Amino acid sequence: QVQLQESGPGLVKPSQTLSLTCTVSGGSISSGTYYWSWIRQPAGKGLEWVGRIYTSGSTSYNPSLKSRVTISVDTSKNQFSLRLNSVTAADTAVYYCAREVAAHIGNWIDPWGQGTLVTVSS
Amino acid sequence: SYELSQPPSVSVSPGQTASITCSGDKLGDKYGCWYQQRPGQSPVLVIYQNSKRPSGIPERFSGSTSENTATLTISGAQAMDEADYFCQAWDPSTGYVFGPGTKVTVL
Repeated sequence: QVQLQESGPGLVKPSQTLSLTCTVSGGSISSGTYYWSWIRQPAGKGLEWVGRIYTSGSTSYNPSLKSRVTISVDTSKNQFSLRLNSVTAADTAVYYCAREVAAHIGNWIDPWGQGTLVTVSS
Repeated sequence: SYELSQPPSVSVSPGQTASITCSGDKLGDKYGCWYQQRPGQSPVLVIYQNSKRPSGIPERFSGSTSENTATLTISGAQAMDEADYFCQAWDPSTGYVFGPGTKVTVL
């Protein structure tokens, strides 16, 4: 059973770069038709899709974040990563990594990691 | 950009049926999903491709769609079903879009 675990600093200063890594266990990140995604959730608010990467390296990003986001994959470590630059307090959120199952129609996200809180503050 | 709307809250008595709606342009064509998020926990997939239920999800959860509306139905609601529920769909120009969430209270 695939499990995902986020890791990275819990505190980032304004204008700096947020960096998180997701480690996938219980299966190879390269196998199957999956995307690997990042989703975030500010406290008490809804979910916001950040972006995703296919194991080929192809990426898709939320248009509202596209200029600041980079998602990459390291198949040798079974990990994928998120970098969000020029952060502000509005980027404070719980960040989830997750697996997206690619189907002919209607992909779905399952499972999700436990989430990691990142606070942007000086 | 593509948007989804949901009612902020739904209340249901134990054992009764709760219906949560999600509205969006041509939503029925997008084969969307529903996620359950209990307080302090990560979201869990409860319905995918409009109406399919993942293994391990109780039969009391079901999904249906019309042209512009998706509905999550909880038949025989239990206290453990108290949670936030988010609908989700993919739009080619916006990417993944989530609804704002509906808080289900069982009382």
